[in-house]
Amino acid sequence: DAGVIQSPRHEVTEMGQEVTLRCKPISGHNSLFWYRQTMMRGLELLIYFNNNVPIDDSGMPEDRFSAKMPNASFSTLKIQPSEPRDSAVYFCASSRTENEKLFFGSGTQLSVL
Amino acid sequence: AQSVTQPDIHITVSEGASLELRCNYSYGATPYLFWYVQSPGQGLQLLLKYFSGDTLVQGIKGFEAEFKRSQSSFNLRKPSVHWSDAAEYFCAVGGGGATNKLIFGTGTLLAVQP
Repeated sequence: DAGVIQSPRHEVTEMGQEVTLRCKPISGHNSLFWYRQTMMRGLELLIYFNNNVPIDDSGMPEDRFSAKMPNASFSTLKIQPSEPRDSAVYFCASSRTENEKLFFGSGTQLSVL
Repeated sequence: AQSVTQPDIHITVSEGASLELRCNYSYGATPYLFWYVQSPGQGLQLLLKYFSGDTLVQGIKGFEAEFKRSQSSFNLRKPSVHWSDAAEYFCAVGGGGATNKLIFGTGTLLAVQP
């Protein structure tokens, strides 16, 4: 299996622009998690899905952030409008269930200028 | 509130030397504990986990960790470090409805000198 696939690897955008990060979980995995890594706050959970349904979005920082999982093989994290403080590495991770081994993607490095 | 503390931000060890990375947690119930490793530009990889049972758990790449409830600790150890172990190491506690809802420590950056 190719693992969790995230795109793009790097994204540079200007403040105010819309940003969409993409994730393809491992086939057969029913749980998907979005984490963010920053120097100031470290690694923190943003949202997670079970069977394509958002279960806990309490970590989503603001209404500017939204996440969707239209099917079992695809999820997006959107920021609109983006701000410089959103600059971070965004990781997607998946697991067979929410309690089994978690596999991380390589992350998307987002820079908002 | 649940939290994880990794008191060492940066550690340097010589290749072949032993290693211990410290982790303390604060959690109301029996914790699910994890150690992850992150190489530069990469995602996180699970080294080992503790859910219950034997308090000494073995992981990949020769790592082990010991759960000590009395000290609220879950320290990571390796008897002999290899240059390829240079990376950042994260301790995490999971739970609150889903094991993979992880609360991470701030990480310990390990450098290995020849």
